[in-house]
Order: sequence, then structure tokens, then C-alpha cells
Amino acid sequence: SQQGEEDPQALSIQEGENATMNCSYKTSINNLQWYRQNSGRGLVHLILIRSNEREKHSGRLRVTLDTSKKSSSLLITASRAADTASYFCATLDTGRRALTFGSGTRLQVQP
Amino acid sequence: GAVVSQHPSWVICKSGTSVKIECRSLDFQATTMFWYRQFPKQSLMLMATSNEGSKATYEQGVEKDKFLINHASLTLSTLTVTSAHPEDSSFYICSAQGDYPYEQYFGPGTRLTVT
Repeated sequence: SQQGEEDPQALSIQEGENATMNCSYKTSINNLQWYRQNSGRGLVHLILIRSNEREKHSGRLRVTLDTSKKSSSLLITASRAADTASYFCATLDTGRRALTFGSGTRLQVQP
Repeated sequence: GAVVSQHPSWVICKSGTSVKIECRSLDFQATTMFWYRQFPKQSLMLMATSNEGSKATYEQGVEKDKFLINHASLTLSTLTVTSAHPEDSSFYICSAQGDYPYEQYFGPGTRLTVT
């Protein structure tokens, strides 16, 4: 399956700033999910947004979904050094049960 | 959420040997398990989908004779890398999926290094 694209590929910000990552995909989806991965570790599920939802919040996270543009964004507000990680979007495509992962954004938050 | 374990968490083996990685869903029955591979600084690529009691479905370009998958029970799937080569060195992650609404839970991953 073809992966979606994420941009930027890498992002470096200062603690306290907001970080925005974008994800584009190519297919019809049931939902879109965001995951975090610390270097060399497993995935941590952050948030899921269904195809009929446009925006969702969880703590310092805000996710938007635009199915007409086949794109999503993840906003992390008031970033912390501990937010340093790679962030992946993943889509559950219609008719499939496996997730398709985006290319990922490496976020570096400078203390 | 549900817990999925993988064993071992890391393994080093010599070229030509086989390595088995286990993926267990600890507190729910997983009708479907997925195996992903991740190379350094890259994203996860789906290798195969395994359903309990049936043959695995492999993604295009993944050699089924090299990556043997067995899903013998609703809580256990195994991936065996046969005749391993250094290019098989990677991070292997499994996920387990229950019935509707098909939430997936990921294992912590297994780092394989082939020398």
C-alpha cells in the first residue's frame, strides 16, 4: 500500500512554541490516527479522528481532518522537551483492516 | 487500552540462521494481527496480515518463504525470519486487532540485527 506524505520531515522548535505537522493521504478512509514514537521504541497512540469528524482535541493536541483535501494536521501546543519524537499519521482505509502509515515528522523541542 | 507484548525485544543473530519473534495479545482475543517493518529513520511498512487459523496475507514484495507467519491462536502470532541476512536487520513491530471497531494495539517492537 502506498504511504501518505507528511510534512515537514523534520521540525525543530523551542520549548513553549506550538508544533504543527501535516499529513496527506490518497484513499478513502474510515479514520485517521496519529502516533508518537520515541527513538528506537514502540508506537504510542495519540488520537483518532473519524472520517465524519473535522476536529478533535485531547489535552495539548488538536487534530483536524479535511476529507475533501485528503489531509490532516496535528497541532501540539505549548511544546515540551519531552515531546521530542517522531510523529506518524496512519489511515484506516475503507475496505482494509491494516493501517497505512505516513512518512513521519521528526520533532525536536529544544529546552 | 489493551496490551500487546513482543518477545524478544532485541536479538542479534548470524547470517544464515533463523529467528522467531512472538507477538502476544495479553488481555483480549486478536482475530487479526499485523506485522510491520521499520528501517532506521523511516516509517512503518506493512509486511503481512495474519488471521487466526488461516494463512497470512503478504504485501507485495514481501517474500512469504523468508518471513514465515503463524497465527496459531487468538493471542499469539509468530514471525520467523529464515536464513537471515544483514539486510533483514530492522525493527519489527506487530499489532493486534480485535473485532469491530477494529482498534489496533501495537507491541513494543523487536530490534533484529543480523551480523
